[in-house]
Amino acid sequence: SAVISQKPSRDICQRGTSLTIQCQVDSQVTMMFWYRQQPGQSLTLIATANQGSEATYESGFVIDKFPISRPNLTFSTLTVSNMSPEDSSIYLCSVEPGLEETQYFGPGTRLLVL
Amino acid sequence: RKEVEQDPGPFNVPEGATVAFNCTYSNSASQSFFWYRQDCRKEPKLLMSVYSSGNEDGRFTAQLNRASQYISLLIRDSKLSDSATYLCVVNKDNAGNMLTFGGGTRLMVKP
Repeated sequence: SAVISQKPSRDICQRGTSLTIQCQVDSQVTMMFWYRQQPGQSLTLIATANQGSEATYESGFVIDKFPISRPNLTFSTLTVSNMSPEDSSIYLCSVEPGLEETQYFGPGTRLLVL
Repeated sequence: RKEVEQDPGPFNVPEGATVAFNCTYSNSASQSFFWYRQDCRKEPKLLMSVYSSGNEDGRFTAQLNRASQYISLLIRDSKLSDSATYLCVVNKDNAGNMLTFGGGTRLMVKP
């Protein structure tokens, strides 16, 4: 497994502003992912954070709204841009370490947009 | 049709009971299957992988039926600490990396 931390753990933001969430892993991993979990719902994949290239976004998510950085194999950021109350959610990063096919999740960032 | 479907529950069971959760998936090309557990206000954590031959880990048994595209999780001798939401997770295709999560089944074990 891997030890994953996220910052901030929670935030309350005003609409129209942007928030950058950081994800740090304790070991080098090839695959990092960003998910959203809206209240009472399951996880939805936003994008795959690719090291050294642009992120790969899922249907319904775009780079202008959710820019992602992946400067190295242990770190990634997700920015939620021009926020609206509909962006209130938990944002989770996950990693797929080594040869395992499963993913391990960070503790999540709880975002409330007013 | 959702890619991964689960009964949302809640399943309310007494301590010591046996409870079973089911899950169906739509993508016949899926190769990897998992059960995750998510406690309230926490991140999902891997409970167990699901293998074609079925697998058991203590009180937990997972089964896979590829022909019916059906996965199950059996919990024996339920504990209060088993109360959580159980997420059925399937990889999107045989590429391996992309996971699709079911909506989760909520379990409440009562004294």
